[in-house]
Amino acid sequence: QVQLVQSGAEVKKPGASVKVSCKASGYIFINYGISWVRQAPGQGLEWMGWIRGYSDKTNYAQKLQGRVTMTTDTSTNTAYMELRSLRSDDTAVYYCARWVVTTSDDVFDIWGQGTMVTVSS
Amino acid sequence: DIQMTQSPSSLSASVGDRVTITCRASQSISSYLNWYQQRPGTAPNLLIYAASSLQSGVPSRFSGSGSATDFTLIISSLQPEDFATYFCQQSYSTPPTFGQGTKVEIK
Repeated sequence: QVQLVQSGAEVKKPGASVKVSCKASGYIFINYGISWVRQAPGQGLEWMGWIRGYSDKTNYAQKLQGRVTMTTDTSTNTAYMELRSLRSDDTAVYYCARWVVTTSDDVFDIWGQGTMVTVSS
Repeated sequence: DIQMTQSPSSLSASVGDRVTITCRASQSISSYLNWYQQRPGTAPNLLIYAASSLQSGVPSRFSGSGSATDFTLIISSLQPEDFATYFCQQSYSTPPTFGQGTKVEIK
C-alpha cells in the first residue's frame, strides 16, 4: 500500500541541526512531490515547504529560508528535511506528506506518521 | 499569505448529531479548499478535496461545500471515531495555509 515512513524522534540542543527522513513505498516516487508540515505541541499545522519528485526543485516557507533544506534520494525513494540553527520554538512534530497536483486542486493525500523533534538545552 | 479562519474552535456533540464546521478565507480561493481530520497522536488524514470531493475511503457522512471565501464541512451523523480535530487548508496560492482547527469533543 502507499505509505510514508519517517525516522524516529530526535532531541537536539539549541543551535544544532536535525535531519528527518521520509521513505516512500507503494507508488512511483518521482511522479509526486513531498511536502513537509510541522505542528508545535497543542498548535495547528504549519507548511514548511515542498520538493518535487522528478527534480530537486524546491519551495520553502519564507520564515524558514536559509535554515531549511529539502532533498530527495530517488535511488531509495526517500525524502529528507534538514533544519539548522535549531531554537526552542522549533520543537514540534514534523510530518512529510505526498503532494498531489491536479487540475482541480493540490492536496496532501498521504502523510507520514510524524517525527517528534525536541529542542532543549 | 491567505488567512484561514475556522469556527467554532471547539464544540461538544453527541453520537448521531449533525455537526457543521465553517472555514473562511481572507480572500477568494475559488474551490481550492481541503479538509483534514486529525485524531490525537496521529497524522492528519485527507477527508475532502476541491471543497466538495470526498477522498477515496472516507465515509459518506462527511460532506463539504462552498466556494470563494466561505466553506462548510458537515458530518451528517457523528460517530465515535469522528471525535477529532478538523483543519481546513487552502491550496489556491503558496504558501498553503491551514485553519487553526476545530476540536470535536464528546458531550
